[in-house]
Amino acid sequence: QVQLKESGPGLVQPSQTLSLTCTVSGFSLTTYNVHWVRQPPGKGLEWMGRMRYNGDTSYNSALKSRLSISRDTSKNQVFLKVDSLQTDGTGTYYCTRENWELFDFWGQGVMVTVSS
Amino acid sequence: DVVMTQTPVSLSVNLGGQASISCRSSQSLVHSNGNTYFHWYLQKPGQSPQLLIYRVSHRFSGVPDRFSGSGSGTDFTLKITRVEPEDLGDYYCLQSTHFPLTFGSGTKLEIK
Repeated sequence: QVQLKESGPGLVQPSQTLSLTCTVSGFSLTTYNVHWVRQPPGKGLEWMGRMRYNGDTSYNSALKSRLSISRDTSKNQVFLKVDSLQTDGTGTYYCTRENWELFDFWGQGVMVTVSS
Repeated sequence: DVVMTQTPVSLSVNLGGQASISCRSSQSLVHSNGNTYFHWYLQKPGQSPQLLIYRVSHRFSGVPDRFSGSGSGTDFTLKITRVEPEDLGDYYCLQSTHFPLTFGSGTKLEIK
């Protein structure tokens, strides 16, 4: 069955780089797009960017200069890197599969705290 | 960026009652191909978001017909009839017509 699972460090120091991994199963990264969405504690959802099935990427312009999304199709993994993360980067990070513009499956999310 | 203004911020409804949530976009969500990429998601407490309605009015697989979506252009509405305890949570609208994708700020549905 389709599954996505985020993983990464729970704690990041201010101004450091956040690196997260989304490991997928039950579908191919060369067939579906995968997006990253984050949610500050107690707040709403923010779209960060996507990895398309063909390897192209799109980013939220508000984060573009600090954001990088890549993948390893042999390992069924999509990676998120955010440079110079500040305290407003604290929150839950989700990866989600896009199926004809629908986010039909989501990971459980990974909580990241930015603190010294 | 397209701003999605979602109202109300919170809503308290009796079991069996009806709820209505509005979402307004700062520009038309009609794509050049004629489709409107506007969707509703529900995030239950402690869970990831789940898709309810896609392209304005289409219920996703397994979503009960108590949920209905309507609207066009810049104004959209989600209606929930015969509210049940499992409906509580945060509702978000999402537009994917324009990049970057943008969500509404959310509506918290509470059950009286």
